[in-house]
Amino acid sequence: SQQGEEDPQALSIQEGENATMNCSYKTSINNLQWYRQNSGRGLVHLILIRSNEREKHSGRLRVTLDTSKKSSSLLITASRAADTASYFCATDETSGSRLTFGEGTQLTVNP
Amino acid sequence: GAVVSQHPSWVICKSGTSVKIECRSLDFQATTMFWYRQFPKQSLMLMATSNEGSKATYEQGVEKDKFLINHASLTLSTLTVTSAHPEDSSFYICSAPRTSRGGYTFGSGTRLTVV
Repeated sequence: SQQGEEDPQALSIQEGENATMNCSYKTSINNLQWYRQNSGRGLVHLILIRSNEREKHSGRLRVTLDTSKKSSSLLITASRAADTASYFCATDETSGSRLTFGEGTQLTVNP
Repeated sequence: GAVVSQHPSWVICKSGTSVKIECRSLDFQATTMFWYRQFPKQSLMLMATSNEGSKATYEQGVEKDKFLINHASLTLSTLTVTSAHPEDSSFYICSAPRTSRGGYTFGSGTRLTVV
């Protein structure tokens, strides 16, 4: 399966700072989702943005989607040490079809 | 709602043995289950797609005789790693689409270590 690209691969910031992660994909999409994964654990769904949406907010999370550039960004504001995890974007081409994951960004928030 | 229960959460087995991983949809019917594998510090790669009552579809490069998938009911899909070798050590995770609500629900994953 094709993998999207995420950048940066690793990001280290101080608590209270904002973290921005970017994701690019290759095919047309139905929607794009962001997941968090703590080390050695399962995935936690963070937010879903549909292909006809451009921006979405959920708490400290802000997601943007630019379908013309086939890219998305995830912004975590006022980061906390507990936000330390890997973050993945994932896309599906149609509802209920397979998800294609990006390569992930390892975020470290230093207290 | 829309919970997928995956067991075991971790397993250690000897080379040459087989390991079965189960994913159960607890409060919805999962006609489709996706099986992913994740190596350390890498992303999730789709291995196969199972559909209730029919043969699974495997991704290119995934040996169907080694990774046996059974989806005999609407609430249970299993992945059996046969004749496991150390290179099969990985994190395996299942996922089902939540057709009534949209999105996907994931199992908690299985850490397989083959020694």
